[in-house]
Amino acid sequence: NAGVMQNPRHLVRRRGQEARLRCSPMKGHSHVYWYRQLPEEGLKFMVYLQKENIIDESGMPKERFSAEFPKEGPSILRIQQVVRGDSAAYFCASSTGHGNTIYFGEGSWLTVV
Amino acid sequence: DAKTTQPNSMESNEEEPVHLPCNHSTISGTDYIHWYRQLPSQGPEYVIHGLTSNVNNRMASLAIAEDRKSSTLILHRATLRDAAVYYCILRDGGTSGTYKYIFGTGTRLKVLA
Repeated sequence: NAGVMQNPRHLVRRRGQEARLRCSPMKGHSHVYWYRQLPEEGLKFMVYLQKENIIDESGMPKERFSAEFPKEGPSILRIQQVVRGDSAAYFCASSTGHGNTIYFGEGSWLTVV
Repeated sequence: DAKTTQPNSMESNEEEPVHLPCNHSTISGTDYIHWYRQLPSQGPEYVIHGLTSNVNNRMASLAIAEDRKSSTLILHRATLRDAAVYYCILRDGGTSGTYKYIFGTGTRLKVLA
């Protein structure tokens, strides 16, 4: 897990607010993955990004969720108008390239009240 | 997406070897077998991966069946710190080409003192 930094570690939002989760990949990594884990469930793939490109967003809900990985700065997972069902742990992972081993961060725990 | 099947839970005594099985009968020729583990309230941790040959590292060994339809993660001496959920994953690099990792429900390993 060393190297992939996620913040905030814990975030509380009221229903209808926006949540922004940030992920800084390991040094030298240009590929980022986002996963969501609901309580007592496994990890669900959301989106796979390369710098300035979305490679695969097949796991992203069609509405309210978006992700970006700009040329400079961290990857951002943005959830608009949060609902209670968005309460989950969101994990980011990074790799050096297609098909290479991915390494996870410690996660961001979102609680919607 | 190629699927894996793992037992929901297993128990082991401390300092004894543990064999965690995984079935992946639909594996394709280019799919790598990855193992991750997740301790409570932490991100998944990379354990080991392989393609056809058995693999060893400082954490564990991976034994892959000759037909590649199953594999076994071997912890040589379980410690209390090895109590975690262990995920066997086939890296999706075939038809979609996006190399996303699809997590199943994993095996919850309990280590008894």
